[in-house]
Amino acid sequence: QKEVEQDPGPLSVPEGAIVSLNCTYSNSAFQYFMWYRQYSRKGPELLMYTYSSGNKEDGRFTAQVDKSSKYISLFIRDSQPSDSATYLCAMSEQGGKLIFGQGTELSVKP
Amino acid sequence: DGGITQSPKYLFRKEGQNVTLSCEQNLNHDAMYWYRQDPGQGLRLIYYSQIVNDFQKGDIAEGYSVSREKKESFPLTVTSAQKNPTAFYLCASSKTVHQPQHFGDGTRLSIL
Repeated sequence: QKEVEQDPGPLSVPEGAIVSLNCTYSNSAFQYFMWYRQYSRKGPELLMYTYSSGNKEDGRFTAQVDKSSKYISLFIRDSQPSDSATYLCAMSEQGGKLIFGQGTELSVKP
Repeated sequence: DGGITQSPKYLFRKEGQNVTLSCEQNLNHDAMYWYRQDPGQGLRLIYYSQIVNDFQKGDIAEGYSVSREKKESFPLTVTSAQKNPTAFYLCASSKTVHQPQHFGDGTRLSIL
């Protein structure tokens, strides 16, 4: 079993939809949680960074961490075609290396 | 404009050849990393460095080598011992090992 599991998709939604992207993990020591967005042939770009549990909101994006369930989510409201990309979750322990999910490919259709 | 610059964008390797991928950052970050990205496998850590003149192996270091002689630079050499080098290589940096990592735009390496 991988330490971090992420459904690779692809996920296709109409413009304006609410998108929910998820990752599960097995290591209860993970404390730092991140979401990256990666456009084709580009490097990942940091979207959200959360320490421990709780919610964090930034514009149309909301990140949630549920440590009791070992589950993190990224919600995108009012999705746009420009949101079409691969979304990677990543997490680490205190002082540990970053562990990435496989990435979920999202397509937002006009 | 601060960031991470990787060069070249595309690189071709002949059999038995060593090739070096460049990574330069002007973010004044202490930590730097190299990842390999293959379709369907996410990012896998090759090497990382927390300070100048020090680096550690990641999960897939065999067939690769690095150096960290300057804070700004962390070149990766793909040696002939790496039998399956075709991949997208990403360099990243962070202020410290606990901080989020920022990535360059990658180098795509292919075999001739």
